[in-house]
Amino acid sequence: KAGVTQTPRYLIKTRGQQVTLSCSPISGHRSVSWYQQTPGQGLQFLFEYFSETQRNKGNFPGRFSGRQFSNSRSEMNVSTLELGDSALYLCASSLWAYDLNTEAFFGQGTRLTVV
Amino acid sequence: TQLLEQSPQFLSIQEGENLTVYCNSSSVFSSLQWYRQEPGEGPVLLVTVVTGGEVKKLKRLTFQFGDARKDSSLHITAAQPGDTGLYLCAGRDNFNKFYFGSGTKLNVKP
Repeated sequence: KAGVTQTPRYLIKTRGQQVTLSCSPISGHRSVSWYQQTPGQGLQFLFEYFSETQRNKGNFPGRFSGRQFSNSRSEMNVSTLELGDSALYLCASSLWAYDLNTEAFFGQGTRLTVV
Repeated sequence: TQLLEQSPQFLSIQEGENLTVYCNSSSVFSSLQWYRQEPGEGPVLLVTVVTGGEVKKLKRLTFQFGDARKDSSLHITAAQPGDTGLYLCAGRDNFNKFYFGSGTKLNVKP
């Protein structure tokens, strides 16, 4: 079955602009999580969606937002981009949100560079 | 400050050697997972441990969850170049929030 698809793979934006990243989870998966990965901070949790509802949110400013559609596809948006937003943004999908044993499958990520 | 601290940060060893990576926290986790990430790819789940004291083996990899569910270790026996990658531990707390460790970058030289 197809894996998690993130688009685009690479993106270059200018400070102050906004950006929308897309994630298509594995067919049948209803939970989508977003993470930011940087060399300095490692992998940090942004938010988690399940059945179109945000279930959990990490410690990021309000410039970072997301949503999930009825087909489980998810988008995340970053407004007023800053240089420090340059990172690999990873999306992970899983069947359920609250099963401790649930496996999360990650996409290849979107590499965002802010100049 | 990372909720989950991994050590060592970097490890460069020869093929055939054994190694252990540690994941420590002052917080209790309801479950803990280990992932491996290769350059240009997303992390891939290796194992999930949920019971304090649990030990799981996956071929040459042995995973242990501490009795108090605050720490974990990953032991690799007879490392191979294919084991090279970034190893990440991740824990889910009692509020269902997910935290990743700082990562251990392993390089196995042939």
